[in-house]
Amino acid sequence: AQSVTQPDIHITVSEGASLELRCNYSYGATPYLFWYVQSPGQGLQLLLKYFSGDTLVQGIKGFEAEFKRSQSSFNLRKPSVHWSDAAEYFCAVGAGTYKYIFGTGTRLKVLA
Amino acid sequence: EAGVAQSPRYKIIEKRQSVAFWCNPISGHATLYWYQQILGQGPKLLIQFQNNGVVDDSQLPKDRFSAERLKGVDSTLKIQPAKLEDSAVYLCASRWGTPGELFFGEGSRLTVL
Repeated sequence: AQSVTQPDIHITVSEGASLELRCNYSYGATPYLFWYVQSPGQGLQLLLKYFSGDTLVQGIKGFEAEFKRSQSSFNLRKPSVHWSDAAEYFCAVGAGTYKYIFGTGTRLKVLA
Repeated sequence: EAGVAQSPRYKIIEKRQSVAFWCNPISGHATLYWYQQILGQGPKLLIQFQNNGVVDDSQLPKDRFSAERLKGVDSTLKIQPAKLEDSAVYLCASRWGTPGELFFGEGSRLTVL
């Protein structure tokens, strides 16, 4: 069975600083990988996804993520954080049998 | 394209009462999921449907939770009787193909007093 670990519960960065959110997964084959963002009182919005091919994927709002098979990781990055990026971020793993599992989330706080 | 619709957005009930949540997925999406998200946690899968059949309900507390997806379109999640620990946001999501991302509704927030 697949699993997802987001080791950082909270991260605080200053506006304009770079950001990296960590995600590690466990799955026997190549998984489908996702990053979602959730603002308070809202549903989850897809930032980016990886299915196959180029291991560096670009998403919306200037985010990117890199799939590293050797490290079982799919870390999310952004070169310059904006105050509006403050939210909760979830990494998710999808397996071929339709099952999609989410991590516990990382709450991002942005300092002005 | 219309997104995933959920209702009600908010519900407050007393413990031992019942509640039902409704979800209408994006048109044409065969796979539908219900997730439970407790405050401060990630979404936890309760049940997933492929058309009107259940694919996985291994984490659904079947003594109090039930879900159906008649005709393979919209779905209802019911809790009866509710407990305090059922206070959470219930998220519905749908997916078109494999591979494919999940599209989420805005959720139904349940408070059990």
